Amino acid sequence: ETGVTQTPRHLVMGMTNKKSLKCEQHLGHNAMYWYKQSAKKPLELMFVYNFKEQTENNSVPSRFSPECPNSSHLFLHLHTLQPEDSALYLCASSRNSNSPLHFGNGTRLTVT
Amino acid sequence: GENVGLHLPTLSVQEGDNSIINCAYSNSASDYFIWYKQESGKGPQFIIDIRSNMDKRQGQRVTVLLNKTVKHLSLQIAATQPGDSAVYFCAENDGTGRRALTFGSGTRLQVQP
Repeated sequence: ETGVTQTPRHLVMGMTNKKSLKCEQHLGHNAMYWYKQSAKKPLELMFVYNFKEQTENNSVPSRFSPECPNSSHLFLHLHTLQPEDSALYLCASSRNSNSPLHFGNGTRLTVT
Repeated sequence: GENVGLHLPTLSVQEGDNSIINCAYSNSASDYFIWYKQESGKGPQFIIDIRSNMDKRQGQRVTVLLNKTVKHLSLQIAATQPGDSAVYFCAENDGTGRRALTFGSGTRLQVQP
């Protein structure tokens, strides 16, 4: 149990589908993150939220849309994805922006 | 797995030996560093961190060394065990809180029984 729970663990979707990834943290942290981990690149930061406010968008295409309704929950809404978006999507949380990140076990996304 | 396509440097050690994993960083403003371990099918797991006002920090069977002069970080694992087999990442932060962690590409540690 990492304290950060991601669902689903695996997701297969077509390019015209709309799906959402969910992340929940039980650690009382104030910052939440989405990272992408693909087979050909190291961990890439996508979005950062501090106290529910988005503080970083690392030039992510608009087909990825994050939502942070409160400090414990983070979503990543997906629509019209491309096959190259297939990757492991990792959610993380931290007490603040200058403390260790705690990761979930990720959602393995396959776009067909 | 998620790291299969990357050409990760691999360190192969015998069980019981000590392991040293190295990381170079380029941002001289970085003042906070973390080591993570990632096992297959799991997210990265925090191992140990160090701030730039220190050059050494020890945990349980692990030691992190920081050399700011040459911008080099290392993770030492004592008496390496099969359960230590994983990919290890270093990460850095400039300490201002304005940016999230930046991760290196990782090193695969293989422990031979």
